Amino acid sequence: DAGITQSPRYKITETGRQVTLMCHQTWSHSYMFWYRQDLGHGLRLIYYSAAADITDKGEVPDGYVVSRSKTENFPLTLESATRSQTSVYFCASSGQFNQPQHFGDGTRLSIL
Amino acid sequence: DQQVKQNSPSLSVQEGRISILNCDYTNSMFDYFLWYKKYPAEGPTFLISISSIKDKNEDGRFTVFLNKSAKHLSLHIVPSQPGDSAVYFCAASEASNTGKLIFGQGTTLQVKP
Repeated sequence: DAGITQSPRYKITETGRQVTLMCHQTWSHSYMFWYRQDLGHGLRLIYYSAAADITDKGEVPDGYVVSRSKTENFPLTLESATRSQTSVYFCASSGQFNQPQHFGDGTRLSIL
Repeated sequence: DQQVKQNSPSLSVQEGRISILNCDYTNSMFDYFLWYKKYPAEGPTFLISISSIKDKNEDGRFTVFLNKSAKHLSLHIVPSQPGDSAVYFCAASEASNTGKLIFGQGTTLQVKP
């Protein structure tokens, strides 16, 4: 089915471990985004990508790494997880920069 | 420094009445504004948007108003329905080709039957 999917939906890991959150979209959208949602902050942009092999930092990029070798995939990696990265992570995509973004259903990540 | 603020964490209205959700912003470079609705355990869903060249945009029961001089936008839902109960986020972007959105903290709307 067409759309944007995130995996896993839930993840529990320990501090210091590396974890990768996956995002896949079937629309061939150029733009993709990663956000985290925390109480009192709404959604904050971590990284975004305007096209394959083009990525840039958002508001809260520290501790995260992204890559985009293919248009449809935009994985987010926490290289050494910390408790402060416990959050709900949302991936989004849009066809053009001035079009609404479409969101996945999120990954709830807990770091113990 | 929060550039987009939703100062009301929650709002409760009766079914059939009007719901008004408010959003303030500080960045005068914002030129595109959106409202998203979010149900628990789901991603945000786009609801309605408005460009800074307009002051009103309507889509069915949903109307967004933009007051640029006050740096304020609002979402009106008329009539409100129990299925509208959700968290509503306003978001804004600057005139650039990045597509980056800045979100408010969200307002939880409860529509009582």
